[in-house]
Amino acid sequence: DGGITQSPKYLFRKEGQNVTLSCEQNLNHDAMYWYRQDPGQGLRLIYYSQIVNDFQKGDIAEGYSVSREKKESFPLTVTSAQKNPTAFYLCASSMRGQNSPLHFGNGTRLTVT
Amino acid sequence: GDSVTQMEGPVTLSEEAFLTINCTYTATGYPSLFWYVQYPGEGLQLLLKATKADDKGSNKGFEATYRKETTSFHLEKGSVQVSDSAVYFCALSVSTGNQFYFGTGTSLTVIP
Repeated sequence: DGGITQSPKYLFRKEGQNVTLSCEQNLNHDAMYWYRQDPGQGLRLIYYSQIVNDFQKGDIAEGYSVSREKKESFPLTVTSAQKNPTAFYLCASSMRGQNSPLHFGNGTRLTVT
Repeated sequence: GDSVTQMEGPVTLSEEAFLTINCTYTATGYPSLFWYVQYPGEGLQLLLKATKADDKGSNKGFEATYRKETTSFHLEKGSVQVSDSAVYFCALSVSTGNQFYFGTGTSLTVIP
């Protein structure tokens, strides 16, 4: 079955450490996205990529970095510069075109102490 | 800019009650509209979509009609079940840069 796999489901880190969240899709989608979800705030866009080796900042990119070396993969690194990294992170993908919906992974819950 | 405003929750209903969750949007051009559902600890799942004015999206007893004149896409279900308890998100996408915009979500709890 095609889908998006995020791993791990839960991640714990100490403050000051960088951490990388994995996102892999086998839907053959061109576009991939990272969102952050905090209670009561909906989804906020961190980064998105419409094609391999190209990506754009979203609304809250500070303290995060991404790479898109393969079509299937879009890892997100939460750096020590991110002031409040504890959150639920969602990866998504879509085909090109505004009629194509987003397909989401099941998320990674990151806790930084 | 483009945005989505949806009804604040939480919403609590008894089983078999009628559900409406309001969603209005602001967009330049002609967006596509979506409803997503999120169960606890999971990602979002597409519930239904509509891509042009007067389109009605439907799935699992849920419906929403794309109303251009009122810039709305309200979610409705005639008879909710306990299993419908979740958070519902309204969203739009625009052609420019394949961007998506989400509402803040509405939490629904259905009690037996």
